[in-house]
Amino acid sequence: EAQVTQNPRYLITVTGKKLTVTCSQNMNHEYMSWYRQDPGLGLRQIYYSMNVEVTDKGDVPEGYKVSRKEKRNFPLILESPSPNQTSLYFCASSFSPGLLYEQYFGPGTRLTVT
Amino acid sequence: GNSVTQMEGPVTLSEEAFLTINCTYTATGYPSLFWYVQYPGEGLQLLLKATKADDKGSNKGFEATYRKETTSFHLEKGSVQVSDSAVYFCALRLGQNFVFGPGTRLSVLP
Repeated sequence: EAQVTQNPRYLITVTGKKLTVTCSQNMNHEYMSWYRQDPGLGLRQIYYSMNVEVTDKGDVPEGYKVSRKEKRNFPLILESPSPNQTSLYFCASSFSPGLLYEQYFGPGTRLTVT
Repeated sequence: GNSVTQMEGPVTLSEEAFLTINCTYTATGYPSLFWYVQYPGEGLQLLLKATKADDKGSNKGFEATYRKETTSFHLEKGSVQVSDSAVYFCALRLGQNFVFGPGTRLSVLP
């Protein structure tokens, strides 16, 4: 089954404790992206990657890191989480070329930073 | 920059009512346009899309037409069901840039 998976689905942590949210897709997509969803703000893009070893900042990259060492995986790293990073996070993937392709979304990771 | 504006919710309708959710966009080129739906506790799912002016996307009774002259992509359904209750997001893609609207929550009452 074609899908984007994220782990963990729920995470409660404390300020400053490094964490990683994993994302994996099995569709051989070149493009992968991370979003955060906050009430009234919709989805805001954190980082995206057009292919292996190619990453770029989205609209709200501060406080986050990503890496793309393999095509299928795109982990999101919070080196020193803060309470304002409490949010619902979505990973997404897409074929890269052209304008035609939609994104496929993972189920989301709800993160709480206390 | 590129942006998407949607009508504010929540929208509450009775079953079998007609639905319209307005979406307008601002873009520096000619984007592809999408509607996504998010059911409670789930990720976003593509509902429909249109890739050029005057294209009509349709799926599950929902429709939207890409109107370049008004930069709009309004979502419509002739007769909503309780199962359509969800949050609906309008989005555009221009190259590698994806932009989403804030979402419109729809509640359909039996």
